[in-house]
Amino acid sequence: AQTVTQSQPEMSVQEAETVTLSCTYDTSENNYYLFWYKQPPSRQMILVIRQEAYKQQNATENRFSVNFQKAAKSFSLKISDSQLGDTAMYFCALRSWGGGSNYKLTFGKGTLLTVNP
Amino acid sequence: ETGVTQSPTHLIKTRGQQVTLRCSSQSGHNTVSWYQQALGQGPQFIFQYYREEENGRGNFPPRFSGLQFPNYSSELNVNALELDDSALYLCASSQGNQPQHFGDGTRLSIL
Repeated sequence: AQTVTQSQPEMSVQEAETVTLSCTYDTSENNYYLFWYKQPPSRQMILVIRQEAYKQQNATENRFSVNFQKAAKSFSLKISDSQLGDTAMYFCALRSWGGGSNYKLTFGKGTLLTVNP
Repeated sequence: ETGVTQSPTHLIKTRGQQVTLRCSSQSGHNTVSWYQQALGQGPQFIFQYYREEENGRGNFPPRFSGLQFPNYSSELNVNALELDDSALYLCASSQGNQPQHFGDGTRLSIL
């Protein structure tokens, strides 16, 4: 069974500063995908960034980057130059590489990030 | 490009009733997944449909059932509603190995 753990229920950061959200996971597979999704109060789950497990290079998307440590099964999200619009619940998620029902996402419990002015 | 749309936005039901939630997938997507998100929790996988067939199921009882139509839209049906079914129900569509795109969800309240 796959599991995803987010150990920080809540975090806060000052506008323009940098914050890192933690995620650890467990899977018996060698190839898989990892994701960070953002869920603002509007409820829609928005994809922030994706990492393929076979890639050693950490993914980046503008102000968002990840630190992927495959051996440690760790996948943290760094948000640089935090903006008020970054305030949201952030979910770490894991998906198997293969097809069929392996397309399902396994989510952590989330981290509520508040960006303060 | 039209995104994933869900209806209704909110729904209030009583215990024992039945409910149908609807989802239109994003243009070009042939796979639809449904998730249940209880308050303060991460989404939990209910099931997935691919080309009108159930393609995987999470740990949910048979009273949770679904359909996918030829246009790839989907329905989630829940029979004999229980208080614990109160949650946000999220639909996500995808194509192949691409990431899932989510709708805004349906908030279901059971009285």
